[in-house]
Amino acid sequence: QVQLQQWGAGLLKPSETLSLTCAVYGGSFGGYYWTWIRQSPGKGLEWIGEIHHTGSTNYNPSLKSRVTISLDTSKNQFSLNLNSVTAADTAVYYCARRVVVAAIGYWGQGTQVTVSS
Amino acid sequence: QSALTQPPSASGSPGQSVTISCTGTSSDVGGYNFVSWYRQHPGKAPKLLIYEVTKRPSGVPDRFSGSKSGNTASLTISGLQAEDEADYYCSSFAGSNNVFGPGTKVTVL
Repeated sequence: QVQLQQWGAGLLKPSETLSLTCAVYGGSFGGYYWTWIRQSPGKGLEWIGEIHHTGSTNYNPSLKSRVTISLDTSKNQFSLNLNSVTAADTAVYYCARRVVVAAIGYWGQGTQVTVSS
Repeated sequence: QSALTQPPSASGSPGQSVTISCTGTSSDVGGYNFVSWYRQHPGKAPKLLIYEVTKRPSGVPDRFSGSKSGNTASLTISGLQAEDEADYYCSSFAGSNNVFGPGTKVTVL
Protein backbone atom coordinates (compact mmCIF):
# COMPACT_ATOMS: atom_id res chain seq x y z
CA GLN A 1 0.00 0.00 0.00
CA VAL A 2 1.41 3.38 -1.00
CA GLN A 3 2.07 5.76 1.90
CA LEU A 4 3.26 9.34 1.70
CA GLN A 5 4.95 11.02 4.66
CA GLN A 6 5.73 14.71 4.51
CA TRP A 7 7.63 17.19 6.62
CA GLY A 8 8.91 20.76 6.64
CA ALA A 9 8.83 24.06 8.48
CA GLY A 10 5.40 25.09 9.71
CA LEU A 11 5.98 28.75 10.54
CA LEU A 12 7.49 31.23 8.12
CA LYS A 13 7.93 34.98 7.90
CA PRO A 14 6.84 36.95 4.84
CA SER A 15 9.36 36.80 1.98
CA GLU A 16 10.87 33.51 3.19
CA THR A 17 10.89 30.27 1.21
CA LEU A 18 8.52 27.42 2.01
CA SER A 19 10.22 24.02 1.74
CA LEU A 20 8.44 20.69 2.15
CA THR A 21 9.57 17.14 1.40
CA CYS A 22 7.51 14.02 0.87
CA ALA A 23 8.77 10.45 1.13
CA VAL A 24 7.03 7.61 -0.70
CA TYR A 25 6.80 4.17 0.91
CA GLY A 26 5.33 0.88 -0.19
CA GLY A 27 5.09 1.37 -3.91
CA SER A 28 6.94 2.16 -7.08
CA PHE A 29 8.24 5.69 -7.44
CA GLY A 30 8.64 5.44 -11.15
CA GLY A 31 5.87 5.88 -13.70
CA TYR A 32 3.75 8.31 -11.72
CA TYR A 33 3.06 12.01 -11.31
CA TRP A 34 3.81 13.34 -7.82
CA THR A 35 1.73 16.31 -6.80
CA TRP A 36 1.44 19.15 -4.30
CA ILE A 37 -1.94 20.58 -3.31
CA ARG A 38 -2.82 23.11 -0.65
CA GLN A 39 -6.00 23.90 1.23
CA SER A 40 -6.90 27.13 2.97
CA PRO A 41 -10.18 28.34 4.48
CA GLY A 42 -10.25 31.29 2.10
CA LYS A 43 -9.30 29.64 -1.20
CA GLY A 44 -10.28 26.01 -0.66
CA LEU A 45 -8.27 23.33 -2.44
CA GLU A 46 -5.64 24.56 -4.86
CA TRP A 47 -3.46 22.46 -7.15
CA ILE A 48 0.13 23.67 -6.96
CA GLY A 49 1.82 21.42 -9.46
CA GLU A 50 3.24 18.01 -10.25
CA ILE A 51 6.40 16.23 -11.30
CA HIS A 52 6.79 13.03 -13.28
CA HIS A 53 9.44 10.56 -12.22
CA THR A 54 11.36 11.56 -15.36
CA GLY A 55 11.58 15.12 -14.02
CA SER A 56 8.95 16.72 -16.23
CA THR A 57 6.91 19.33 -14.33
CA ASN A 58 3.56 21.11 -14.62
CA TYR A 59 2.69 24.11 -12.45
CA ASN A 60 -0.39 26.12 -11.60
CA PRO A 61 -0.04 29.25 -13.78
CA SER A 62 -0.91 31.48 -10.83
CA LEU A 63 2.02 30.12 -8.79
CA LYS A 64 4.46 29.18 -11.53
CA SER A 65 6.82 32.12 -10.99
CA ARG A 66 7.41 31.14 -7.34
CA VAL A 67 7.23 27.32 -7.36
CA THR A 68 9.79 24.60 -7.89
CA ILE A 69 8.98 20.91 -7.51
CA SER A 70 11.93 18.52 -7.57
CA LEU A 71 12.57 14.86 -6.89
CA ASP A 72 15.26 12.57 -5.53
CA THR A 73 14.66 9.15 -7.06
CA SER A 74 17.45 7.59 -5.00
CA LYS A 75 15.47 8.35 -1.84
CA ASN A 76 11.94 8.04 -3.29
CA GLN A 77 11.30 11.63 -2.26
CA PHE A 78 9.98 14.77 -3.89
CA SER A 79 9.99 18.34 -2.65
CA LEU A 80 8.19 21.65 -2.92
CA ASN A 81 9.81 25.07 -2.76
CA LEU A 82 7.64 28.19 -2.81
CA ASN A 83 9.53 31.44 -2.54
CA SER A 84 8.56 34.94 -1.43
CA VAL A 85 5.70 33.70 0.72
CA THR A 86 2.98 36.00 2.07
CA ALA A 87 0.07 35.50 4.44
CA ALA A 88 -1.97 34.35 1.43
CA ASP A 89 0.22 31.23 1.29
CA THR A 90 -0.96 30.11 4.74
CA ALA A 91 -2.57 26.72 4.22
CA VAL A 92 -2.40 23.00 4.82
CA TYR A 93 -0.06 21.58 2.21
CA TYR A 94 -0.50 18.02 0.96
CA CYS A 95 1.82 15.86 -1.06
CA ALA A 96 0.01 13.35 -3.21
CA ARG A 97 0.11 10.93 -6.12
CA ARG A 98 -2.28 11.15 -9.00
CA VAL A 99 -3.79 7.95 -10.38
CA VAL A 100 -4.97 9.42 -13.68
CA VAL A 101 -5.24 12.96 -15.04
CA ALA A 102 -6.75 15.30 -12.41
CA ALA A 103 -7.45 12.49 -9.93
CA ILE A 104 -5.43 12.17 -6.73
CA GLY A 105 -5.51 8.69 -5.26
CA TYR A 106 -2.95 8.93 -2.49
CA TRP A 107 -2.40 11.76 -0.02
CA GLY A 108 0.13 12.65 2.63
CA GLN A 109 -0.97 13.59 6.12
CA GLY A 110 -0.82 17.33 5.42
CA THR A 111 1.41 20.04 6.88
CA GLN A 112 0.03 23.27 8.30
CA VAL A 113 2.15 26.16 7.08
CA THR A 114 1.54 29.58 8.58
CA VAL A 115 3.10 32.77 7.26
CA SER A 116 3.21 35.52 9.86
CA SER A 117 5.51 38.32 10.84
CA GLN B 1 -12.78 32.12 -5.22
CA SER B 2 -12.87 28.69 -6.88
CA ALA B 3 -12.89 28.04 -10.58
CA LEU B 4 -15.79 25.60 -10.28
CA THR B 5 -19.17 26.22 -8.64
CA GLN B 6 -20.83 23.92 -6.10
CA PRO B 7 -23.79 24.44 -3.79
CA PRO B 8 -22.57 25.19 -0.26
CA SER B 9 -24.72 22.55 1.37
CA ALA B 10 -26.94 19.54 0.79
CA SER B 11 -28.74 17.17 3.11
CA GLY B 12 -30.75 14.00 3.26
CA SER B 13 -32.00 11.35 5.64
CA PRO B 14 -30.33 7.96 5.97
CA GLY B 15 -31.18 5.80 2.97
CA GLN B 16 -32.11 8.72 0.74
CA SER B 17 -30.16 10.03 -2.25
CA VAL B 18 -28.31 13.30 -2.56
CA THR B 19 -26.98 14.87 -5.76
CA ILE B 20 -24.29 17.54 -5.82
CA SER B 21 -23.63 19.66 -8.88
CA CYS B 22 -20.32 21.08 -10.10
CA THR B 23 -20.48 23.76 -12.77
CA GLY B 24 -17.53 24.94 -14.79
CA THR B 25 -16.91 26.08 -18.34
CA SER B 26 -15.94 24.64 -21.70
CA SER B 27 -12.32 25.18 -20.63
CA ASP B 28 -12.54 22.67 -17.80
CA VAL B 29 -15.56 20.47 -16.99
CA GLY B 30 -17.13 20.80 -20.42
CA GLY B 31 -13.91 20.38 -22.33
CA TYR B 32 -12.51 17.19 -20.85
CA ASN B 33 -13.72 13.92 -19.36
CA PHE B 34 -11.36 14.40 -16.43
CA VAL B 35 -13.70 15.26 -13.57
CA SER B 36 -13.09 13.77 -10.16
CA TRP B 37 -14.90 13.89 -6.82
CA TYR B 38 -13.54 13.70 -3.28
CA ARG B 39 -14.98 13.26 0.20
CA GLN B 40 -13.22 14.93 3.12
CA HIS B 41 -13.89 14.44 6.80
CA PRO B 42 -12.70 17.11 9.27
CA GLY B 43 -8.98 17.03 9.85
CA LYS B 44 -8.41 14.36 7.19
CA ALA B 45 -7.07 14.39 3.67
CA PRO B 46 -9.59 14.15 0.84
CA LYS B 47 -10.49 10.69 -0.46
CA LEU B 48 -11.02 10.00 -4.14
CA LEU B 49 -14.55 8.77 -4.91
CA ILE B 50 -14.92 9.24 -8.68
CA TYR B 51 -12.45 9.85 -11.51
CA GLU B 52 -12.87 10.39 -15.24
CA VAL B 53 -16.47 11.54 -14.62
CA THR B 54 -17.98 8.12 -13.87
CA LYS B 55 -15.30 5.67 -12.70
CA ARG B 56 -14.91 4.46 -9.12
CA PRO B 57 -11.56 3.46 -7.61
CA SER B 58 -11.34 0.02 -6.09
CA GLY B 59 -12.99 -0.04 -2.68
CA VAL B 60 -15.42 2.82 -3.27
CA PRO B 61 -19.02 1.56 -2.93
CA ASP B 62 -21.30 1.67 -5.98
CA ARG B 63 -23.71 3.96 -4.15
CA PHE B 64 -21.39 6.75 -5.31
CA SER B 65 -21.91 7.63 -8.96
CA GLY B 66 -20.86 10.43 -11.26
CA SER B 67 -22.17 11.97 -14.46
CA LYS B 68 -21.69 14.99 -16.68
CA SER B 69 -23.81 17.07 -19.03
CA GLY B 70 -22.23 19.97 -20.81
CA ASN B 71 -20.34 22.15 -18.35
CA THR B 72 -21.93 20.56 -15.27
CA ALA B 73 -20.84 17.40 -13.51
CA SER B 74 -22.79 15.70 -10.76
CA LEU B 75 -22.13 13.32 -7.90
CA THR B 76 -24.99 11.20 -6.58
CA ILE B 77 -24.82 9.46 -3.23
CA SER B 78 -27.47 6.77 -2.95
CA GLY B 79 -28.44 5.07 0.29
CA LEU B 80 -27.06 7.90 2.42
CA GLN B 81 -25.18 6.73 5.51
CA ALA B 82 -23.99 8.55 8.63
CA GLU B 83 -20.38 8.30 7.46
CA ASP B 84 -21.30 10.29 4.35
CA GLU B 85 -21.60 13.45 6.43
CA ALA B 86 -18.58 15.33 5.13
CA ASP B 87 -17.38 17.92 2.64
CA TYR B 88 -17.42 16.97 -1.04
CA TYR B 89 -15.20 18.55 -3.67
CA CYS B 90 -15.19 18.31 -7.42
CA SER B 91 -12.10 18.79 -9.54
CA SER B 92 -11.42 19.08 -13.25
CA PHE B 93 -8.53 19.15 -15.64
CA ALA B 94 -8.26 22.60 -17.19
CA GLY B 95 -5.50 22.36 -19.75
CA SER B 96 -2.44 23.68 -17.98
CA ASN B 97 -4.07 23.46 -14.57
CA ASN B 98 -6.29 21.39 -12.31
CA VAL B 99 -9.15 23.28 -10.69
CA PHE B 100 -11.38 22.55 -7.70
CA GLY B 101 -14.82 23.52 -6.55
CA PRO B 102 -15.36 25.25 -3.16
CA GLY B 103 -16.90 22.18 -1.62
CA THR B 104 -20.38 21.09 -0.57
CA LYS B 105 -21.14 20.19 3.02
CA VAL B 106 -23.42 17.17 3.16
CA THR B 107 -25.46 16.71 6.31
CA VAL B 108 -27.14 13.43 7.16
CA LEU B 109 -30.33 14.33 8.99
